[in-house]
Amino acid sequence: AQKVTQAQTEISVVEKEDVTLDCVYETRDTTYYLFWYKQPPSGELVFLIRRNSFDEQNEISGRYSWNFQKSTSSFNFTITASQVVDSAVYFCALSGHNTGNQFYFGTGTSLTVIP
Amino acid sequence: EAQVTQNPRYLITVTGKKLTVTCSQNMNHEYMSWYRQDPGLGLRQIYYSMNVEVTDKGDVPEGYKVSRKEKRNFPLILESPSPNQTSLYFCASSFIGTGGSGANVLTFGAGSRLTVL
Repeated sequence: AQKVTQAQTEISVVEKEDVTLDCVYETRDTTYYLFWYKQPPSGELVFLIRRNSFDEQNEISGRYSWNFQKSTSSFNFTITASQVVDSAVYFCALSGHNTGNQFYFGTGTSLTVIP
Repeated sequence: EAQVTQNPRYLITVTGKKLTVTCSQNMNHEYMSWYRQDPGLGLRQIYYSMNVEVTDKGDVPEGYKVSRKEKRNFPLILESPSPNQTSLYFCASSFIGTGGSGANVLTFGAGSRLTVL
C-alpha cells in the first residue's frame, strides 16, 4: 500500500524558533519520489522539494532543510528561525514509479508562527 | 505565464444539478489530474490522465467523470452532485519524463471551492 502519514496536525511556534515537520511514508516500490508542498493562507499549492528514493542526501535551501532516511521511511522538513510568512499548511506527498502514476498526499500539518 | 487555470473558482449549487469544473494548462503537459481537499483528509486524487483520450481512476473517483479530448483541457464533471462532494478541488499538470509522471513536479491550479446544498 502507498501511504503518507503526517502525524502532526497543527503546530504553533514563536517566531525565530526552529520547527520540524514529520513525514512517514509506506510504499512497495523500490523507486519512488517524495515531495513537500506548501499551502499558504491564500490557498495555492507551492512546490518546495522533490527527492527520489536513490538520493538520500539531505538538502538545505536557505532556512529550509530536509532529512530523508530510508531506514525509517521518513522525509522530515525543518524550518530554521521560523518567520510569520512560514505560516501555512505543509503537505508531504509520495509517488511510486510502478504504481500507476498516482500521487499520495499526507493529511497536512498546519504551522502557525506567532510573532 | 505558465499556469493551470480552473473555473469557476467558487460555486454554490444544489443536489442533482450537473456541473463541470474546467481545467486548462498552457505548458503542453501530458499528465493532468484532479484532487479534492477536505479537512483532516489532505488531498486525494480523483482522476488522472496520461495523455489525450487516456484517463484513469485515482483513489476517490465515485461520483465524478472526466474527459481528455484535447491535451490542454481536463474538465471534471459532476453528473449529479451530492452534499458529500462539497470540497476544495485542485487540478494539476506535469510533464511525463523518463521516470514516469510520478517523478515530476505538479503545477497546481488555484483551486475551485464547491458547495453542494
